[in-house]
Amino acid sequence: QSALTQPASVSGSPGQSITISCTGTNSDVGSDNFVSWYQQHPNKDPKLLIYEGTKRPSGASNRFSGSKSGNMASLTISGLQPEDEAIYYCCSYGTYSHWVFGGGTKLTVL
Amino acid sequence: EVQLLESGGGFLQPGGSLRLSCAASGFTFNIYAMTWVRQAPGKGLDWVSTISGDAGTTFYADSVKGRFTISRDNSKDTLYLQMNSLRAEDTAVYYCAKALKVKQERSGWDSWGLGTLVTVSS
Repeated sequence: QSALTQPASVSGSPGQSITISCTGTNSDVGSDNFVSWYQQHPNKDPKLLIYEGTKRPSGASNRFSGSKSGNMASLTISGLQPEDEAIYYCCSYGTYSHWVFGGGTKLTVL
Repeated sequence: EVQLLESGGGFLQPGGSLRLSCAASGFTFNIYAMTWVRQAPGKGLDWVSTISGDAGTTFYADSVKGRFTISRDNSKDTLYLQMNSLRAEDTAVYYCAKALKVKQERSGWDSWGLGTLVTVSS
């Protein structure tokens, strides 16, 4: 299974909104609604931001939102804050009973 | 408070074996699936293996199938990863993580440990 495709980097200024894309195939992102998104700060463990494509777990900020269309999922961060600077990973459960992560997107808050 | 504490990492030569442990606390361990995810130095996250709460179902990435074995001891609230025939490309920080939903492993992983480093080198 190939990794999901994410842009290597995105950037935005404080207060702005940015969107990170995550492209897969009919066998993973497009097969069902089990896309999740994680935030990882340097030398820290990942934190779940979005699950099942669009849902936020308890404790996740409502500035994070998820969506999906076909084989592409997206994470939008609104009202960018300096602490949002991190690497973001998408992950999808696939029809072959595997999970696959994206390569990660480094967000820089200018 | 959910806590996951990995242990067992170390430095070893190619072809060696190692068993990682993940001690869990703060939740009812036996009703949640658990997973291992690794991260090579400077690289992204890489799913390794997942086990259901009752240990009845296991899943493996193709890259480790036949070499790694995931297991759990629900009486000890502990998850394991037995790693055999280790290769240089297995070098990574290994994280254990807890499934978000009860008895359902597909939705996401909501609690993670701090990881344990495995280095395979000659």
